[in-house]
Amino acid sequence: DGGITQSPKYLFRKEGQNVTLSCEQNLNHDAMYWYRQDPGQGLRLIYYSQIVNDFQKGDIAEGYSVSREKKESFPLTVTSAQKNPTAFYLCASSAATGGNYGYTFGSGTRLTVV
Amino acid sequence: SQQGEEDPQALSIQEGENATMNCSYKTSINNLQWYRQNSGRGLVHLILIRSNEREKHSGRLRVTLDTSKKSSSLLITASRAADTASYFCATDAPSRGNTPLVFGKGTRLSVIA
Repeated sequence: DGGITQSPKYLFRKEGQNVTLSCEQNLNHDAMYWYRQDPGQGLRLIYYSQIVNDFQKGDIAEGYSVSREKKESFPLTVTSAQKNPTAFYLCASSAATGGNYGYTFGSGTRLTVV
Repeated sequence: SQQGEEDPQALSIQEGENATMNCSYKTSINNLQWYRQNSGRGLVHLILIRSNEREKHSGRLRVTLDTSKKSSSLLITASRAADTASYFCATDAPSRGNTPLVFGKGTRLSVIA
């Protein structure tokens, strides 16, 4: 079955620590995205990638970094510069960016600062 | 940058009733999509409606789009307890080029058995 896998499901970060969230898809999608969701809020775009080896900042990119070395993978690193990282992180993919295609989402990673 | 905004923020209905959620947006769109999110899970794509379409159906779901009012509605007929979830609209923004969807804050639907 094609899908998108996020890991881990839960992640705990100490102050000053960098952590990396994994996102893998086997849908052969070109575009991948990272969104952040805070309680009772909508999704805010962190980074997106339209194609391998290319990515663009979203609305809240500060304190985050990404890479897109393989089509299937789009890991997100939450750096120590992100002062309020506790949130639910969602990875998604689609055939292309824009609104012509539906997005497939992973099941999310809940990050907590301890 | 918030494009779509759902209304109401929360909705509670009895099983078997219909649920209607609305989405308003600010700038012209090519496509509008609706998603469902069960608590603590990822979003699931429900339906996509294009700017030249006025209505679309999928099972118990009916979506309408009024581009003159910049609004869309999602109707769930004969609701079930399993429909309890948050529902989000998402829009593209052709004025910003080929950029990702922008999601609203969602409507929390509770269906009481």
